[in-house]
Amino acid sequence: EAQVTQNPRYLITVTGKKLTVTCSQNMNHEYMSWYRQDPGLGLRQIYYSMNVEVTDKGDVPEGYKVSRKEKRNFPLILESPSPNQTSLYFCASSLINRESTQYFGPGTRLTVL
Amino acid sequence: QQPVQSPQAVILREGEDAVINCSSSKALYSVHWYRQKHGEAPVFLMILLKGGEQKGHEKISASFNEKKQQSSLYLTASQLSYSGTYFCGTDNQAGTALIFGKGTTLSVSS
Repeated sequence: EAQVTQNPRYLITVTGKKLTVTCSQNMNHEYMSWYRQDPGLGLRQIYYSMNVEVTDKGDVPEGYKVSRKEKRNFPLILESPSPNQTSLYFCASSLINRESTQYFGPGTRLTVL
Repeated sequence: QQPVQSPQAVILREGEDAVINCSSSKALYSVHWYRQKHGEAPVFLMILLKGGEQKGHEKISASFNEKKQQSSLYLTASQLSYSGTYFCGTDNQAGTALIFGKGTTLSVSS
């Protein structure tokens, strides 16, 4: 089944404790992206990647890192999480052109205390 | 650069119609529409492309006015299953990212 998977689905952590949220897709998509969703603000893009070893900042990249060492994986890294990073995070993937559908993962709900 | 959606919320009874608008301050190549049910991931509805071609499915239609840099999503004879938050997305200037609006929440009751 074609899908985007994320792990963990739920995470409660404390300020400053490094964490990684994994994202994997099995559709051989070149493009992958991370969004955060907060009430009233919609989906805001954190980082995106157009292919292996090619990443770029989205609208809200501060406090996040990403890597794209393999085509299928695009982990999101929070080196020193803070409470303002408490949010619902979605990973998405698509083919590389503008006419492509984005497929979203199930989401990761992160709480930073 | 974030597209502006209106209205923010719509409340309907089954069978009623609704229109959700999406406007941008810049020229658009495409507009994407997604629906998100509470607690779930956004799901693709359709893409509207410059030049008039529409790609999508389901019994929901949309228009794309390139001159006005606007798109509208039309939900006719709404069903309970239409409830959710609708997002429009427009591509950034480089065409490398999809920028979403803040969403329109649609509530359909029986």
